Amino acid sequence: DGGITQSPKYLFRKEGQNVTLSCEQNLNHDAMYWYRQDPGQGLRLIYYSQIVNDFQKGDIAEGYSVSREKKESFPLTVTSAQKNPTAFYLCASSALDTQYFGPGTRLTVL
Amino acid sequence: DQQVKQNSPSLSVQEGRISILNCDYTNSMFDYFLWYKKYPAEGPTFLISISSIKDKNEDGRFTVFLNKSAKHLSLHIVPSQPGDSAVYFCAASDGGRDMRFGAGTRLTVKP
Repeated sequence: DGGITQSPKYLFRKEGQNVTLSCEQNLNHDAMYWYRQDPGQGLRLIYYSQIVNDFQKGDIAEGYSVSREKKESFPLTVTSAQKNPTAFYLCASSALDTQYFGPGTRLTVL
Repeated sequence: DQQVKQNSPSLSVQEGRISILNCDYTNSMFDYFLWYKKYPAEGPTFLISISSIKDKNEDGRFTVFLNKSAKHLSLHIVPSQPGDSAVYFCAASDGGRDMRFGAGTRLTVKP
């Protein structure tokens, strides 16, 4: 059945390490997005991609990187340059105006 | 710069009564508005949307009202059920990539 999957559900990382969060969709959506959610805040856009091999920075792209080699996949790398990486990360995709979200990955930096 | 604001962090209502969640926006270029429901440790689920050419959209127990002149929208849930207890996010889009989210309102429906 169609949907968006994110893995892993929980991720622990030591300070100074890079980590990659997976996002896959089989909805045939062109656009994909990465958001970060912190307690008491709305979702903040990290990166988005409207088509394969193209992506744009969102509001808080510093310390993150992405790739979009396939339509179905939009992995997010949290680099050691990200000052406060502990958060809940959400991936979304859209065909038109409505975005649909994956289940999220909770990243904790130890 | 918060372009979408949900000023009530929490709301508590009795089962069977109406829940009204409010949202204000500042960007007049927004023309599409959405409500998402979110349970802890899960991704937001799309609930209902409204385009700026309408002032009301209804789907079952959920109705969204849009007042463009006041830059205000609201989500009405009636009757409220305990399973509606969640965090509700308001979102607004200008038709491009720019979708902005409010901080969310935690709704608790008491049996």
